[in-house]
Amino acid sequence: EAGVTQFPSHSVIEKGQTVTLRCDPISGHDNLYWYRRVMGKEIKFLLHFVKESKQDESGMPNNRFLAERTGGTYSTLKVQPAELEDSGVYFCASSQAGGPGRAFFGQGTRLTVV
Amino acid sequence: QKEVEQDPGPLSVPEGAIVSLNCTYSNSAFQYFMWYRQYSRKGPELLMYTYSSGNKEDGRFTAQVDKSSKYISLFIRDSQPSDSATYLCAMRHGSGNTGKLIFGQGTTLQVKP
Repeated sequence: EAGVTQFPSHSVIEKGQTVTLRCDPISGHDNLYWYRRVMGKEIKFLLHFVKESKQDESGMPNNRFLAERTGGTYSTLKVQPAELEDSGVYFCASSQAGGPGRAFFGQGTRLTVV
Repeated sequence: QKEVEQDPGPLSVPEGAIVSLNCTYSNSAFQYFMWYRQYSRKGPELLMYTYSSGNKEDGRFTAQVDKSSKYISLFIRDSQPSDSATYLCAMRHGSGNTGKLIFGQGTTLQVKP
């Protein structure tokens, strides 16, 4: 069974540009989460989808961040325009609708804004 | 004040040692407690998953939760160089089986041969 997959693994962009990160969850997982880790800090929650609906977006830093989950499958996180403080590692995680709710993480996308 | 506190280390031990990793938390609503292992440039990998208080053992790993003290621990017996990684504690509220995880900062462990 394939795990959570994220694209790209690494992205370097200039301040003011737009970047789109993609996450493919484990097949059949209704729950999809986005997290971010900035240098020296803990991993922090950004957003939670249940299928295609946003269940909790309390961690989104500001309106430069837009997350979508088309048809309840893969998800994208767009940052527009990117700022220097957006640099960090963005993780995606997914979990099943039922069961104990164990969350499985992707390998992350390392975003560097210069 | 952070909801979850974890000493970032680094922690260096000789091969074969018993390792003790700990987190404290402030929110009594946390009911689910997890330990993740993260190798360099990889995503967090779920190691242990515990609901409420008590102990859970899986091979060389034992997770303990003391809700009265708001304190969780991960013990690694007979530590191996392959255990060298960052260990992250994570928690979430008890309402249902979904919801955001709150992470500690992670402890970097190095096991020397």
